[in-house]
Amino acid sequence: EIVLTQSPATLSLSPGERATLSCRASQSVSRYLAWYQQKPGQAPRLLIYDASNRATGIPARFSGSGSGTDFTLTISSLEPEDFAVYYCQQRSNWPQGAFGPGTKVDIK
Amino acid sequence: QVQLQQSGPGLVKPSQTLSLTCAISGDSVSSNTAAWNWIRQSPSRGLEWLGRTYYRSKWNNDYAVSVKSRITINPDTSKNQFSLQLNSVTPEDTAVYYCARDYDQNLDFWGQGTLVTVSS
Repeated sequence: EIVLTQSPATLSLSPGERATLSCRASQSVSRYLAWYQQKPGQAPRLLIYDASNRATGIPARFSGSGSGTDFTLTISSLEPEDFAVYYCQQRSNWPQGAFGPGTKVDIK
Repeated sequence: QVQLQQSGPGLVKPSQTLSLTCAISGDSVSSNTAAWNWIRQSPSRGLEWLGRTYYRSKWNNDYAVSVKSRITINPDTSKNQFSLQLNSVTPEDTAVYYCARDYDQNLDFWGQGTLVTVSS
């Protein structure tokens, strides 16, 4: 089973700052990695798929990069609505061992 | 636009069966390109994929090892929906349950979530 770890667990930033979130896989997932955003009381929302492709309707301030075992989600300039929890998900051996534990981006 | 609408009870007694339904609009449960998933979320387990059903010339199911002996996911083509049954529940099964569409293994549309509490 592929295990995903995310760091940091919590990221405290101010609006307008750049956010850099990391996801590491226990073995290569090629580029088969997605990122989701979840706000309190809501279902997760797909942001990025296949490491770097933005899903429909996702603003350009969200970008993804990486391949193999190391991936990054970058939010170029945080908007108030971006404070949320972010999860990575691999589909290399989907659906087993799918999700990371999450990174919470909160307001500093 | 695909929409998924969940329904089902929020309270289940220990040892009984948890049953939820997910009604699909904007797509078909019989789609040859999508799969229909159940995922749950709890503070102790995080996001946990439970299983899926999908049609590729015939109906197929995949289930998580952790619940394989207790879970059934069924499509209902007449109502364009799919269901989750989880047997012999314990308080450890208390979670928010989501249905979701998986297109190329990316979960692009989700239901609203149902908090299910297992308690007597």
